[in-house]
Amino acid sequence: AQTVTQSQPEMSVQEAETVTLSCTYDTSESDYYLFWYKQPPSRQMILVIRQEAYKQQNATENRFSVNFQKAAKSFSLKISDSQLGDAAMYFCAYRSPTGTASKLTFGTGTRLQVTL
Amino acid sequence: NAGVMQNPRHLVRRRGQEARLRCSPMKGHSHVYWYRQLPEEGLKFMVYLQKENIIDESGMPKERFSAEFPKEGPSILRIQQVVRGDSAAYFCASSPLLNEKLFFGSGTQLSVL
Repeated sequence: AQTVTQSQPEMSVQEAETVTLSCTYDTSESDYYLFWYKQPPSRQMILVIRQEAYKQQNATENRFSVNFQKAAKSFSLKISDSQLGDAAMYFCAYRSPTGTASKLTFGTGTRLQVTL
Repeated sequence: NAGVMQNPRHLVRRRGQEARLRCSPMKGHSHVYWYRQLPEEGLKFMVYLQKENIIDESGMPKERFSAEFPKEGPSILRIQQVVRGDSAAYFCASSPLLNEKLFFGSGTQLSVL
């Protein structure tokens, strides 16, 4: 079974600065999908960014980018020019290409605080 | 196009009562997933349904929990004889096709007294 580990329960960043959230995973599959989800206090789960394992190029969405290291099974999220609205829980998630479609395995999350 | 709608947003039950959680997927979505989030933990998969069919219930507890997605109406997650350990946030997600992006609802917070 796949596992996802987020070793940083809490992180803090100053507004306009850059922060990196860590995620590692364990799998024996060669092809899979990785995601970062944001969960603000409203509880809504919002997809931030997605990476296909077969793609070597790191995904980027505006101020959000990932550092995907397949051999190391590492998938970190970098948030540039942090804004107050980025404060939330961030979850890393894994999806297998086989078995149940869209069945996600989540990490335990990192709470990000953004300070002035 | 309204998003995934879950109700109620908060549900309080006493031990032994039944809890019914509702999920209306986005229009045109026929795939529904239920996840549970315990305090300070990530979401954990419970069940995957398509219209009138349970496709994967490998994450569902064997007893007291059931789910349905009828031809008409919302998907229902039913918990019978609730216990304090059932207190959690229950999230529903939907997608239009297999392996497509998931859209999540805002969850139902179940509190068992």
